Amino acid sequence: EAQVTQNPRYLITVTGKKLTVTCSQNMNHEYMSWYRQDPGLGLRQIYYSMNVEVTDKGDVPEGYKVSRKEKRNFPLILESPSPNQTSLYFCASSFSGGSTYNSPLHFGNGTRLTVT
Amino acid sequence: AQTVTQSQPEMSVQEAETVTLSCTYDTSESDYYLFWYKQPPSRQMILVIRQEAYKQQNATENRFSVNFQKAAKSFSLKISDSQLGDAAMYFCAYRPSSNAGGTSYGKLTFGQGTILTVHP
Repeated sequence: EAQVTQNPRYLITVTGKKLTVTCSQNMNHEYMSWYRQDPGLGLRQIYYSMNVEVTDKGDVPEGYKVSRKEKRNFPLILESPSPNQTSLYFCASSFSGGSTYNSPLHFGNGTRLTVT
Repeated sequence: AQTVTQSQPEMSVQEAETVTLSCTYDTSESDYYLFWYKQPPSRQMILVIRQEAYKQQNATENRFSVNFQKAAKSFSLKISDSQLGDAAMYFCAYRPSSNAGGTSYGKLTFGQGTILTVHP
């Protein structure tokens, strides 16, 4: 089954304790991206990757890191989480370029992160 | 920078009736894509409908259709014969074309969302 898998689904942590949210897709998508969803603000893009070893900042990258060493994986790293990073996080992927240039995003099921 | 605005935080509709959700966007690009996504309480993001800016014909998917007004930069979603299962948060989203060049293609912008309630 074609899917984007995020883990964990729920995560409660304390300020300053490094964490990683994993994201993996099995559709051979070039493009992957991370979003955070907050009430009244919709989804805001954190980072995105056009392909392996190619990443770029979205609209709210502060406090986050990403890496794209393999095509299928795009982990989100919070080196020193703070309470303002409490949010619902989504990973998404799609094809890019060529005949699939209007490819819609496929989303993971989200990770609810609470930082106390 | 592109922006997407959904001016209706909440909407409600009676079952079997029609409702329209509004979305406006701002861009200097001429080639781009627009999407509507549905997020039910399960928080899964589900693609409802998409529109290519170069196409004048409005997209339709069963009970869902859009009114795309390129000059006005408006992209509203019409849900006909509303069903209880349509109750969800709806997001409008903008994506530049890959022809935009550079890495701007990677930037996808969402609106704030509209919560739709369907009354039986």
